[in-house]
Amino acid sequence: KNQVEQSPQSLIILEGKNCTLQCNYTVSPFSNLRWYKQDTGRGPVSLTIMTFSENTKSNGRYTATLDADTKQSSLHITASQLSDSASYICVVSALSNYQLIWGAGTKLIIKP
Amino acid sequence: GAGVSQSPSNKVTEKGKDVELRCDPISGHTALYWYRQSLGQGLEFLIYFQGNSAPDKSGLPSDRFSAERTGGSVSTLTIQRTQQEDSAVYLCASSPSSRGGPTDTQYFGPGTRLTVL
Repeated sequence: KNQVEQSPQSLIILEGKNCTLQCNYTVSPFSNLRWYKQDTGRGPVSLTIMTFSENTKSNGRYTATLDADTKQSSLHITASQLSDSASYICVVSALSNYQLIWGAGTKLIIKP
Repeated sequence: GAGVSQSPSNKVTEKGKDVELRCDPISGHTALYWYRQSLGQGLEFLIYFQGNSAPDKSGLPSDRFSAERTGGSVSTLTIQRTQQEDSAVYLCASSPSSRGGPTDTQYFGPGTRLTVL
């Protein structure tokens, strides 16, 4: 069964610190993986997208990595800011039918 | 504006009533998606449109839910005989290409918060 699991479920860190969010998937065959950021009360916004051949992609202070062999991805946030407080969602696309499998998200809280 | 818009932003209805939720996608986007998100939960896929056709309706939870898209643009999600468990935020997204491809990025609207009393 195609699944996407994210950890931790929630995370609290101090402003200025770094953090790493994890995404494990069982989707096969794999097409691509996305990370979205969802602020409270808003729709998700795309951060990065990676295909099979890409193992790292950056978007400002956000860096996503992908290990297609172990079926793991991570999202690293550097020098966190209060505005980084949001849910971060991992989404994997299956090559066979391009069905999108959404993770439950990691709720990140940045404290001053 | 150039983004995805949804209306109404909030809808409160009584159990058993029908509701219609509207989504205006970004102009030119061929793919349109409906999702449901309960409080504190992840996104639940409902239906996917490519143009006016819906090749994937697998997420619709019951036959009380239906959706249509006309002119390759506006979409309406209809919930008949609403139940309290239908209370959630209903999100619409559009993308310029086919679902899930390497260049597909979904752009989300602000959602409609539905409360069934």
